[in-house]
Amino acid sequence: DAMVIQNPRYQVTQFGKPVTLSCSQTLNHNVMYWYQQKSSQAPKLLFHYYDKDFNNEADTPDNFQSRRPNTSFCFLDIRSPGLGDAAMYLCATSGVQYNEQFFGPGTRLTVL
Amino acid sequence: RKEVEQDPGPFNVPEGATVAFNCTYSNSASQSFFWYRQDCRKEPKLLMSVYSSGNEDGRFTAQLNRASQYISLLIRDSKLSDSATYLCVVFDSNYQLIWGAGTKLIIKP
Repeated sequence: DAMVIQNPRYQVTQFGKPVTLSCSQTLNHNVMYWYQQKSSQAPKLLFHYYDKDFNNEADTPDNFQSRRPNTSFCFLDIRSPGLGDAAMYLCATSGVQYNEQFFGPGTRLTVL
Repeated sequence: RKEVEQDPGPFNVPEGATVAFNCTYSNSASQSFFWYRQDCRKEPKLLMSVYSSGNEDGRFTAQLNRASQYISLLIRDSKLSDSATYLCVVFDSNYQLIWGAGTKLIIKP
């Protein structure tokens, strides 16, 4: 089945220790998104790729970086996680920009 | 005023009832509208896109009211499994995806 996969599902890191979250998709979609979601809040779009074009949201902190080495994979790097970065990180894809999105199961990040 | 607003609820509804909730948006030039469902600690899942003419999928009906700038979701014959948070998403003319904070629905037996 075509799907969006995120690894790991749970990640524990220490304050300030870099962490990388991974997302892969078998849908062959052009667009991949990274969201941060905290409890009882809407998902917050961090950035997205349309093919190789990177689009950063204006309020995304520099602490968050992303890489998309090919169509199937996208990575979220958090360079120096703070306690406030503890959240669910969701990867999504869509065939065209800003259309129906398909989400992976998310990675729950804990910062100690 | 928030760009996309939803009543957070919770809406407590008996099984079998009909429930409806709205999502208002501020940008009159918004282009695309979607409803997602999110279960506790799970990812959002697309429920339905919202078309200008309205659309129906089984027990679910979505409507768009451009004049009053809101979309609605109607659930008929509600099931226990409909309990979830329902999020609306608006793609506006500034090429931004704006998410509502969601409406929590609890279906009671």
